Amino acid sequence: SYDLTQPPSVSVSPGQTASITCSGDRLGHKYAFWYQQKPGQSPLLVTHHDGKRPSGIPERFSGSISGNTATLTISGTQTVDEADYYCQTWDRSTVVFGGGTKLTVL
Amino acid sequence: QVQLVESGGGVVQPGTSLRLTCAASGFTFRSYGIHWVRQAPGLGLEWVAVIWYDEIKKEYADSLKGRFTISRDNSKNMVYLQANNLRVEDTAVYYCARDPNTYCGGGCNSGFDSWGPGTLLTVSS
Repeated sequence: SYDLTQPPSVSVSPGQTASITCSGDRLGHKYAFWYQQKPGQSPLLVTHHDGKRPSGIPERFSGSISGNTATLTISGTQTVDEADYYCQTWDRSTVVFGGGTKLTVL
Repeated sequence: QVQLVESGGGVVQPGTSLRLTCAASGFTFRSYGIHWVRQAPGLGLEWVAVIWYDEIKKEYADSLKGRFTISRDNSKNMVYLQANNLRVEDTAVYYCARDPNTYCGGGCNSGFDSWGPGTLLTVSS
């Protein structure tokens, strides 16, 4: 089975840049997406495969992918960005999620 | 606006069956794929299954194949997840989510752009 690996936690100070990574075999040859999930809420798509943002997602969220790693970057991180973040890709005709990263802003 | 609402969760005993429902509104339902994704308490997201526009093409997570069946009724804007022989480890919030693609056989270039609030299924004796 195909696996995506994320760090369990990332910490960042308000106003700084947060980077969350997602690693998988030949991930750079696939599409990768990022979701934000706050406690008690459903996941929310924050970046498309090319790093573009869905309507309503702040410009501080961006995504990139290279080699075996996809990266979600949050520039000028705000306290409201504290959440769990999940990467997602496709392995043939099935979907794979990473294990999730808890972003703490303090 | 786009809306997905899950229902059918509850408390059931191991070995029993249950059908979850996802009601869709606010978009041309027959033009989109619909996924089920689950999340066990305190854990991460786990993909369950997808059904594409034609009510025929569908895929499952290998670990659930054989016990779970996804179906849809385009005339009613509904997607269903039949879960059989339920186990304690099936306890989770079950979400349905919209895929912007009518069909892609893998390597889809869009993420899931709308999610329901989820329905909690608890399997316990």
